[in-house]
Amino acid sequence: DSGVTQTPKHLITATGQRVTLRCSPRSGDLSVYWYQQSLDQGLQFLIQYYNGEERAKGNILERFSAQQFPDLHSELNLSSLELGDSALYFCASNPGLSGNTIYFGEGSWLTVV
Amino acid sequence: GENVEQHPSTLSVQEGDSAVIKCTYSDSASNYFPWYKQELGKGPQLIIDIRSNVGEKKDQRIAVTLNKTAKHFSLHITETQPEDSAVYFCAASKGTYKYIFGTGTRLKVLA
Repeated sequence: DSGVTQTPKHLITATGQRVTLRCSPRSGDLSVYWYQQSLDQGLQFLIQYYNGEERAKGNILERFSAQQFPDLHSELNLSSLELGDSALYFCASNPGLSGNTIYFGEGSWLTVV
Repeated sequence: GENVEQHPSTLSVQEGDSAVIKCTYSDSASNYFPWYKQELGKGPQLIIDIRSNVGEKKDQRIAVTLNKTAKHFSLHITETQPEDSAVYFCAASKGTYKYIFGTGTRLKVLA
């Protein structure tokens, strides 16, 4: 158990809908990272937050947004969902200090039908 | 932009043999290189990492080597076992920014 908690574990929704994925980082970690993993694909970096502020942005679609709250949990919002958005979405966290490992949660499986 | 290439995409070895996975990174400012193992339906888990001021690191049957000049780093698994079968990802980062992952290697250890 990495200490990173993601909910929900599984989610099935229809095209055009909006979903919110939630992540609770490890205790004491200030940085949260979101990654997307499509079937048999690598880990695509979406966005990073540090202590509530956006720190780095990857290939995140405009239909997607994220935020990190004062209690350090983070949410990834996916809207106007398309079939191609079906993927495993991972959250990872680390203390935010240089050279620290990032620890992954178990992921949220999103299926868009 | 930053990029990490990983090869091979699939690798099959006989139990007891060695496995080597190679990665190349593009950003010369990268200074931290972790390796992750992902089992089916689970999140990636760190197995070993190396920092840019070190050329090699070992942990039991696993070792990682880094060539900063060539911007290459490699994972070596010796005496492979069936439980080593998984997908392995390399990554590169600058400080705590944007951990960029390779495309993954599916390792199959044949009993």
